[in-house]
Parts: sequence; structure tokens; C-alpha cells
Amino acid sequence: QKEVEQDPGPLSVPEGAIVSLNCTYSNSAFQYFMWYRQYSRKGPELLMYTYSSGNKEDGRFTAQVDKSSKYISLFIRDSQPSDSATYLCAMLGINAGGTSYGKLTFGQGTILTVHP
Amino acid sequence: EAQVTQNPRYLITVTGKKLTVTCSQNMNHEYMSWYRQDPGLGLRQIYYSMNVEVTDKGDVPEGYKVSRKEKRNFPLILESPSPNQTSLYFCASSPSGQFYEQYFGPGTRLTVT
Repeated sequence: QKEVEQDPGPLSVPEGAIVSLNCTYSNSAFQYFMWYRQYSRKGPELLMYTYSSGNKEDGRFTAQVDKSSKYISLFIRDSQPSDSATYLCAMLGINAGGTSYGKLTFGQGTILTVHP
Repeated sequence: EAQVTQNPRYLITVTGKKLTVTCSQNMNHEYMSWYRQDPGLGLRQIYYSMNVEVTDKGDVPEGYKVSRKEKRNFPLILESPSPNQTSLYFCASSPSGQFYEQYFGPGTRLTVT
């Protein structure tokens, strides 16, 4: 079983739709939860990160972490054609001393297309 | 402009011919890392470096070597490339203690025949 599972899609939605992207994980040491966005032929770029549990909102984007269920989500409201990209969840663990090993684990990525 | 650069961007080579992919960052970041991206498998970490002369294995280090002699550079070496190393490679860097915020290079597409 992979440490991080992400539905690869592809996901196709009309402009203005609410998009929900999800990942599940199995490693309880994960404390940082990130969402990266990758446009075609580009490197990924950080969209949002959350430390531990809870919600975080940034404009049209909301990240949620449910550590009890080992489940994270990214919601995109009022989706736009410019949101069309691959979305990658990523996770980072910390040790008992509170420092990170620096080892990131990514999901497989979900390909999202928002059509006008 | 703050950036991570990789060279070459595209490379076609033959099995067994040693090659090096260079990575350089101008943000004075302590942390650097290499990933490969394959369809259906996402990004997988090959090696990472917390600082100069400090490197560690990621999830898929077999067949790769790295060195970190200068803070800004982190080359990826394939001593004897094989077809299963055909992939899209990304270098990334981040400030110490902010590993969640990785800055990625543009990628190197490698084909080994």
C-alpha cells in the first residue's frame, strides 16, 4: 500500500463549478500537508500548506486536513479555465524532536480540466 | 530573478553512458532535492540534501548518485543509465526549516534507449 493515495482522475468540470480533490495517507508521522499545482510542461509550485489538522482558506482555495481519518482535501470554488492543471498532494513528517527529516511524499496527482 | 535552473532540459542517451544533470539555485537555500515524475506514479524523491556535504536517500535512490559540494549546486549523476530511468526529473530547493515550500526547476526530460 502506498503511503499517499490520490485519485488521478482525470476530472473535467464546467467553469464556475466547485472542485473537490482528495488524498488519503497511512503514515501517522505526517504533520505538514501541502497542495502543489503543476501546469503542463512546468515544475510544480506550492499552492497551500497546512500544519496538523484544520482548515485553511486562500481566496477561492480551501485546504482541509482530517488527521483522525488520515484524509486531506482541496476545494476550489468558482473554478476557472486557468485552474486547469495537475494538482499534487504532498506530505512531510516530523520526528519526535519536532524536526523534519526533509523527506516529502507526493500523491500521484489529479489532472483537472475546467472548460468554459 | 529567484529561480532553480536545470541543464539540460532534454536529453536522449544510450544505455550505460554516464551522464550528469546539473541543478543550481540562487536563493541561498540550504535544502535541495531531486525527484522523478512518471505517469501514474507521481513525484518520487530520489535524493535530498539538508546542507553542503549532507545528503540522504529518498524513496528511489537506486542507480543515482548526488553530491553537494557547494550550497547552490546539486548535480544528479547516472553512472550507467538504463531504460527504466527514462523519466521527467525535477530539482527543487527550499529554505531550512520550510521543507514544505519547495521551489522546483523546469524539469529535465531524459530518454535512455
